[in-house]
Amino acid sequence: DAGVIQSPRHEVTEMGQEVTLRCKPISGHDYLFWYRQTMMRGLELLIYFNNNVPIDDSGMPEDRFSAKMPNASFSTLKIQPSEPRDSAVYFCASSFSGSRQTQYFGPGTRLLVL
Amino acid sequence: AQKITQTQPGMFVQEKEAVTLDCTYDTSDPSYGLFWYKQPSSGEMIFLIYQGSYDQQNATEGRYSLNFQKARKSANLVISASQLGDSAMYFCAMREGRGGTALIFGKGTTLSVSS
Repeated sequence: DAGVIQSPRHEVTEMGQEVTLRCKPISGHDYLFWYRQTMMRGLELLIYFNNNVPIDDSGMPEDRFSAKMPNASFSTLKIQPSEPRDSAVYFCASSFSGSRQTQYFGPGTRLLVL
Repeated sequence: AQKITQTQPGMFVQEKEAVTLDCTYDTSDPSYGLFWYKQPSSGEMIFLIYQGSYDQQNATEGRYSLNFQKARKSANLVISASQLGDSAMYFCAMREGRGGTALIFGKGTTLSVSS
């Protein structure tokens, strides 16, 4: 079975540009999470969805960040405009609402904003 | 207050030895789940083991076991017979409630296995 798929794997952009990160969760999973990892702050939640509906977006840094999940097999995280402090690894994870709800992570997108 | 505390920034162990990575947690919710993930230098996050707050027995998955001490709020990861490929960052994480919430991560412990 395919795991969580993220694209691109690496992104280098200039400050002010729009960045779109993409995620395909594991088929059948009904939760999708976006996390960000930095040296300073570690791993932190940005937003998560249940059945395509955003449940908690309290971790989204500011209005420059937005996330959508138009269907069960696709989600995007958009940063517009991007800033150097957005440089980080962005992970997408998915889980199924069973007893454990183990979250399985994608390979991450390493973003560098110059 | 930190919800997940990993006090060991780095640990060193020789091949074939066992190693324990510490994790303490803080929650007032009686229902929660505890997870350990491995992050090798390649960057991916690999799920290792899960322990539920109501589980009576300590979880085991191959060479990984979780030493769950509920009263002390600790969930230490034990890796038996360490291998060079175990060298990585290890994260302890907690999900509060019965489900439907995000993971809260500790800051991680770097494990280095030498031959």
